[in-house]
Formats: sequence, structure tokens, C-alpha cells
Amino acid sequence: SQQGEEDPQALSIQEGENATMNCSYKTSINNLQWYRQNSGRGLVHLILIRSNEREKHSGRLRVTLDTSKKSSSLLITASRAADTASYFCATASSGNTPLVFGKGTRLSVIA
Amino acid sequence: ETGVTQTPRHLVMGMTNKKSLKCEQHLGHNAMYWYKQSAKKPLELMFVYNFKEQTENNSVPSRFSPECPNSSHLFLHLHTLQPEDSALYLCASRQYGLAGEGTDTQYFGPGTRLTVL
Repeated sequence: SQQGEEDPQALSIQEGENATMNCSYKTSINNLQWYRQNSGRGLVHLILIRSNEREKHSGRLRVTLDTSKKSSSLLITASRAADTASYFCATASSGNTPLVFGKGTRLSVIA
Repeated sequence: ETGVTQTPRHLVMGMTNKKSLKCEQHLGHNAMYWYKQSAKKPLELMFVYNFKEQTENNSVPSRFSPECPNSSHLFLHLHTLQPEDSALYLCASRQYGLAGEGTDTQYFGPGTRLTVL
């Protein structure tokens, strides 16, 4: 299985601080994606990074990918209370395969 | 969340009941998925439909029966469930491309919170 494994499982920070979450996976990938889930709701796509990319930015989000270490990180800068949610990484072995998700990191941003 | 809708949002059923979950996507996608999300577990992919054809069934018990009448609708028929089937059931869709021209992002519905008594 190429299931992603997020680390840490839970993270609590103060508003304004940066939050970093990590994801490790097992086999080669076509792309890696990060999703966000508010409690009991559906997942919302945040950002996608392809296997030939090393870094991507989207607003306050920064994603890195190290295929040699089979790992990715998601950085949320200047966090806000509204960023409180669970964050999941998901991997696809090829362009058309369904995504495989990890267990997620539960982020709490305290105002 | 209006791109993919799911009904009902909450469902409580007994083990002998028969019920159905419905998913509808308004995005013009041709692939749809059912996922199960249990506490402290990764999302589990249950079924995959591409162009209305089931292409993947991840060893899901037969008490779960999917149906995809067209590319916009997906159902999950439930019967004689067990308490351990209580979970959040998520539907997702994407554009699948035979020549790799599809998109990689999956769009999720809000989920159905199922409780089996």
C-alpha cells in the first residue's frame, strides 16, 4: 500500500504561528495532494504537487515534496483560528488511480 | 460543497433495516467514489465507478451494494448492517481521462453520518 502517513497526529498552536505537517508514503507516486476536513464534513482540496515538482505555493500554503525520501510537508503560515481542521495527504500512483489517504493531522489553532 | 451533494446527511438505522445513501455531482465528472471514514482510521476507498462502470471494489462486504445509474448519480444500498459499519460515508467525483487528460483532484460531498444500532 502506498498509504500516506501524516505526522504529527495532532498539533496545537497559537494564532499567528506557522503550522507544519508531514506526510510519508511507501511507493512511487504520480502526484501528492493535501486536503482539509472540518469536523464531520467532506474533504476540500488544498493543493497538488506532482512527482517532478519540489515545491508549490498557494496563498498561505507551502508544500514540499522529496521523492527520494518519499515525504512531503505542508506549511501553513500565519495561522488563523479558522484553519482549525484535519489535514490529509493523499497519493496517486498514476494519473487515473483513486487517491489513497492517510489518517490525517488534527490542527487546532488557538485564538 | 454544492458541487457534490449527499443525502441524507444523518442516518440512524437498525441492523435489519434497508436504506440507501445518495450522491449527486453537478460537475460533469465521469468518475465517482464511495469512501468510508471511521474514527482514527484512514479513509477507506470502497467503490470506484468510471463512466458508470464499477472498476474497483475493495473487498467490501456484500451488505453494501453500490449503484451508478448515470455519471451524475451514485447510490450505496445498505442492508443488514453491523454496528461497526457506523461511520461517515463520503462520496467523491473527478474527471477521469483515458489518455491521461483527466484531472487529479477529487471533489467530495459533505458525507452521510451513519449510525447502526
